[in-house]
Amino acid sequence: QQQVKQSPQSLIVQKGGISIINCAYENTAFDYFPWYQQFPGKGPALLIAIRPDVSEKKEGRFTISFNKSAKQFSLHIMDSQPGDSATYFCAASKGTGANNLFFGTGTRLTVIP
Amino acid sequence: NAGVTQTPKFRVLKTGQSMTLLCAQDMNHEYMYWYRQDPGMGLRLIHYSVGEGTTAKGEVPDGYNVSRLKKQNFLLGLESAAPSQTSVYFCASRGSGRENEFFGPGTRLTVL
Repeated sequence: QQQVKQSPQSLIVQKGGISIINCAYENTAFDYFPWYQQFPGKGPALLIAIRPDVSEKKEGRFTISFNKSAKQFSLHIMDSQPGDSATYFCAASKGTGANNLFFGTGTRLTVIP
Repeated sequence: NAGVTQTPKFRVLKTGQSMTLLCAQDMNHEYMYWYRQDPGMGLRLIHYSVGEGTTAKGEVPDGYNVSRLKKQNFLLGLESAAPSQTSVYFCASRGSGRENEFFGPGTRLTVL
């Protein structure tokens, strides 16, 4: 079964607006939560990541909010731009073993000029 | 420094044919991974390797084999291709630190 659940499947936002993508997990052994950005025809690229000892991490216009008790985390893109149009994947991994990533199903973001 | 490269970029196979996908990295990374990406399903781990000469199964290993004879290369084999293996395949490598993971550009495989 899907270890990381992601919503929405697709999102359309006006330029300058805020894009919000949500993810939820069940396995409390997960201790690393990255977000990947993927443009058409390209491989995913790490955008930003958080560990559960903090509730928020910000890098430029991108912010991860993390709620450990609810087992949820979300990506916020402030002042969304057409160049942000891409597919976004959340993921999670455990701190033991090979640290394999479990991915969400992806969100296709379209930012309208 | 090319990062992670994948060969070939595209391939069309007939059911029952075999092929090998090659992944190469020039970052001296220990960890290497093969994923498949299907619409609405995200990326799923097929096999992975934690070092030269080692391999292990991921979430969806059936129908695939892998080998890591050299640290820089990770090969994914399909012995008898099936239409269900039509997908986009991504290789990734990772160094020390989980933020240090990089993906290749992908191989689009169609099995008729």
